[in-house]
Amino acid sequence: QSALTQPPSASGSPGQSVTISCTGTSSDVGGYNYVSWYQQHPGKAPKLMIYEVSKRPSGVPDRFSGSKSGNTASLTVSGLQADDEAHYYCSSYAGSNIVFGGGTKLTVL
Amino acid sequence: EVQLLESGGGLVQPGGSLRLSCTASGFTFNSYAMNWVRQTPGKGLEWVSVIYSGGSVTYYADSVKGRFTISRDNSWKTLYLQMNSLRAEDTAVYYCAKPTYMSSWYSFDYWGQGTLVTVSS
Repeated sequence: QSALTQPPSASGSPGQSVTISCTGTSSDVGGYNYVSWYQQHPGKAPKLMIYEVSKRPSGVPDRFSGSKSGNTASLTVSGLQADDEAHYYCSSYAGSNIVFGGGTKLTVL
Repeated sequence: EVQLLESGGGLVQPGGSLRLSCTASGFTFNSYAMNWVRQTPGKGLEWVSVIYSGGSVTYYADSVKGRFTISRDNSWKTLYLQMNSLRAEDTAVYYCAKPTYMSSWYSFDYWGQGTLVTVSS
């Protein structure tokens, strides 16, 4: 049950796009289309942004998109806004358990 | 409106026990698997356990297997986590989390506010 690998930080200017990667193995990210992405602001509970690799829950802006290639999933945030500054966590089903990434702090410059 | 309200956290000595509760409302609780996820202070998220809707199937993270027990009371719409043999590394905010779908438990669209468990002498 090893954690997925995310870059510790990412940044971009307002209006720009940024992509956050999430690397696992064939036993988790590569083996299932059950990758999710969560946004977490300080002191708040995580919020689901993407599920099943690329689906957006109701109410999540289409500026947020997800994809996957092999053992690596990606979250792209386009048209960066100040409120997008937060921690982002990926997760994947791994066969009777869920593994999370270590999180990426997204800074809007 | 979906609401999840955790309780039962607190300070406990190493080797001690604690039982967390999560009271649900706003959705058909007995149709969904339910999960516990924890977050160590200043660190990332760690999935802890899941229990299927009927309560007969459970899975655990290796880090808690044999020490924690997940259970539910569908009549009271309440999820539980019995934590025994607690260690310092179990110190975390514990969240209960509702899956997006009734038919799976792999993503969580609603989370509680969390309850803090501190294991320290």
